[in-house]
Amino acid sequence: DAKTTQPPSMDCAEGRAANLPCNHSTISGNEYVYWYRQIHSQGPQYIIHGLKNNETNEMASLIITEDRKSSTLILPHATLRDTAVYYCIVREDYGQNFVFGPGTRLSVLP
Amino acid sequence: DAGVIQSPRHEVTEMGQEVTLRCKPISGHDYLFWYRQTMMRGLELLIYFNNNVPIDDSGMPEDRFSAKMPNASFSTLKIQPSEPRDSAVYFCASGTWAGGGETQYFGPGTRLLVL
Repeated sequence: DAKTTQPPSMDCAEGRAANLPCNHSTISGNEYVYWYRQIHSQGPQYIIHGLKNNETNEMASLIITEDRKSSTLILPHATLRDTAVYYCIVREDYGQNFVFGPGTRLSVLP
Repeated sequence: DAGVIQSPRHEVTEMGQEVTLRCKPISGHDYLFWYRQTMMRGLELLIYFNNNVPIDDSGMPEDRFSAKMPNASFSTLKIQPSEPRDSAVYFCASGTWAGGGETQYFGPGTRLLVL
């Protein structure tokens, strides 16, 4: 079973920041938080991951709370092409499976 | 790099026939994963390999499914005999260890319809 809880859907206006929350209250010390997204009819796409510290790359920022029980994925300037299902995944170092939950369906509106 | 390559992209077959799905991972990646996605069950991991060796096949539905990785640049997922309930999108992903975690890169998927 997925170890994360995400809202089933969210809307965001084009050009605004999209903030996607994820709860992972049972996360353990050596588990990473990963974010993937799946645009319709395509394979999932890696976005970002982190352990404790906040992370930023060209696609997004990942904010992890100090107790690590929740995190937020931030798309700073959402575009229509960011409309997708976003998956938050918690897992240990390699050797463990990725478990994809239902994710959050983000709709970016014009 | 061209990314993960899967073939065929679409497959329509009749119940009882053998189906073979193919995957070419990204060069240099030492992990390869096979997933299945359906509306009912979402995205499920079937099996994964590390350095061409199957590590965990606990997600493989039953004996009708088998996967091989004869070398670092090729893997197959075979269903024999196929059944209508096998209809799904099958994704192959490859990965490597980077930055303290493992990142997986997915192929475009094979859409399988078993009639």
